[in-house]
Amino acid sequence: NAGVTQTPKFQVLKTGQSMTLQCAQDMNHNSMYWYRQDPGMGLRLIYYSASEGTTDKGEVPNGYNVSRLNKREFSLRLESAAPSQTSVYFCASSERPIYGYTFGSGTRLTVV
Amino acid sequence: GQQLNQSPQSMFIQEGEDVSMNCTSSSIFNTWLWYKQDPGEGPVLLIALYKAGELTSNGRLTAQFGITRKDSFLNISASIPSDVGIYFCAGPYTGTASKLTFGTGTRLQVTL
Repeated sequence: NAGVTQTPKFQVLKTGQSMTLQCAQDMNHNSMYWYRQDPGMGLRLIYYSASEGTTDKGEVPNGYNVSRLNKREFSLRLESAAPSQTSVYFCASSERPIYGYTFGSGTRLTVV
Repeated sequence: GQQLNQSPQSMFIQEGEDVSMNCTSSSIFNTWLWYKQDPGEGPVLLIALYKAGELTSNGRLTAQFGITRKDSFLNISASIPSDVGIYFCAGPYTGTASKLTFGTGTRLQVTL
């Protein structure tokens, strides 16, 4: 009953460092998403992949890249981390968004 | 981008009280979803609504799809301490069913 698994759970980066956030789902969902959550801002979409082999920008894509490695895995990369990217990052997957997403438990990232 | 406005932003209530919150949009929605996020976790789907005027319950939670299709409401009856968390509304972006936009959330805190 894993659902959506995100790694790591916590990370501290120095400004300018790079890292990749990993996400995997075991529900055979077609669509996968990356959101960031900041206090008072709700959940904002960074990138999404409506199906294997496709990726599209969301509301706040600047400073990020994504890779849909296969149907199960969707990674988010920060090439040169900035303090403004300090946030909680959530990965989600869905068979059809109108039926709702299943979220992972999040990655808490601090950039100093 | 599309915006869903939730009110109130936060609320403190006593155990046993009823709670009401709402979500409004400037655009028409065909689907409304309500999520709850426990502290330190990802959001979990509570209720999905697909038809204007629809009223759906999940235990002590009841949600309604507004007649204008521009709003939705969530009520919690007889609140208990485990109701603490952030409640989000969500709906599909206009013109696409491939992704959801989320409201800014209502933070609920319950005092004994």
